[in-house]
Amino acid sequence: AQSVTQLGSHVSVSEGALVLLRCNYSSSVPPYLFWYVQYPNQGLQLLLKYTTGATLVKGINGFEAEFKKSETSFHLTKPSAHMSDAAEYFCAVSDPFGKSTFGDGTTLTVKP
Amino acid sequence: EAGVVQSPRYKIIEKKQPVAFWCNPISGHNTLYWYLQNLGQGPELLIRYENEEAVDDSQLPKDRFSAERLKGVDSTLKIQPAELGDSAVYLCASSQNKEGTQYFGPGTRLLVL
Repeated sequence: AQSVTQLGSHVSVSEGALVLLRCNYSSSVPPYLFWYVQYPNQGLQLLLKYTTGATLVKGINGFEAEFKKSETSFHLTKPSAHMSDAAEYFCAVSDPFGKSTFGDGTTLTVKP
Repeated sequence: EAGVVQSPRYKIIEKKQPVAFWCNPISGHNTLYWYLQNLGQGPELLIRYENEEAVDDSQLPKDRFSAERLKGVDSTLKIQPAELGDSAVYLCASSQNKEGTQYFGPGTRLLVL
């Protein structure tokens, strides 16, 4: 069985401030980990993914995430928030057989 | 390259009526997923296809939901009869294979009155 917990359903930051969205997972097999972004009335768009190899993963729009096995975490960060980053963000874990489990999402608000 | 196409984008029906959603995946993608997304929650898998075979339908409420993927390309998800609790967004996604990145369509927003 696998699961994802996103800590904080709402995160608010000022424009230019650090963005940190937290994700913890559980998995009985080596996980594949993903972050998706969803804008209103749109589907999910992949930001970045970790499968194997380097634990620091860089994605689109300046986002990155670090896989920490000892902490079972995969937190998403961006050094400087932009107004266009306001959206809902989902962390997901997948097993090697293709079964994905998503967290409940974190809504990011960016204040001017 | 065209993305995943879903129709309709919005649907309003009365309870006990049937409804169907259609999905056209990215060309060449063998794996197709249907997800249910309730307000304020993440997507939950309903069914996954490898080509035309449903390989994971354990979360599909089979008493009222059905799905098909004829010829391993387009897919249709049906609800009959719809209930008030079925109001949600139904997302379709596709990937080249089960290990591949999933690409999502815009979803169909269903409202059951």
